[in-house]
Amino acid sequence: EPEVTQTPSHQVTQMGQEVILRCVPISNHLYFYWYRQILGQKVEFLVSFYNNEISEKSEIFDDQFSVERPDGSNFTLKIRSTKLEDSAMYFCASRVGAGKTQYFGPGTRLLVL
Amino acid sequence: RKEVEQDPGPFNVPEGATVAFNCTYSNSASQSFFWYRQDCRKEPKLLMSVYSSGNEDGRFTAQLNRASQYISLLIRDSKLSDSATYLCVVNKAGNTPLVFGKGTRLSVIA
Repeated sequence: EPEVTQTPSHQVTQMGQEVILRCVPISNHLYFYWYRQILGQKVEFLVSFYNNEISEKSEIFDDQFSVERPDGSNFTLKIRSTKLEDSAMYFCASRVGAGKTQYFGPGTRLLVL
Repeated sequence: RKEVEQDPGPFNVPEGATVAFNCTYSNSASQSFFWYRQDCRKEPKLLMSVYSSGNEDGRFTAQLNRASQYISLLIRDSKLSDSATYLCVVNKAGNTPLVFGKGTRLSVIA
């Protein structure tokens, strides 16, 4: 069964460093999302991406964040200058069409020291 | 008021028990409703969609009351493998993002 994959599974970084989280959505999917989950908290939406552009973003998704789909298969989330409070699990998700089920990747656990 | 509210639990039940989870949502424009399951340190996985007429999938029954903005999940004959956090999730429409509740933790004990 096709699945969303994410790399790396874990990343430890120093405050102020840039990180890039990578996702490979399911191949025929058209809508892509990033969510995050701080330990013990709920899953929160960051950004959605469709037709090579951001379709919606939350207030969490400030200027430090950016997304890209550089080559038609990867979907990346970049955090330019990480803060301690960026420590969380970051999930990528994709869906084949509007209103269809979103499938989540296994997540990247980011720890900012 | 939180967009999606759930009783955090934990619910500790013996194997074979029936357990019910409740959820309320604040946005009356919500159109799609789901229960996801999340195991510790894993991604959310769709358990079932929730339809207005109510729906059942094996031991799991979901109900939706749009007038009360209330969703429920009933698990019958609980198994040890049902131990997880159950996330109530709503969606406004189309490709809008999912809105998650904080989840209700279930522990099924032998």
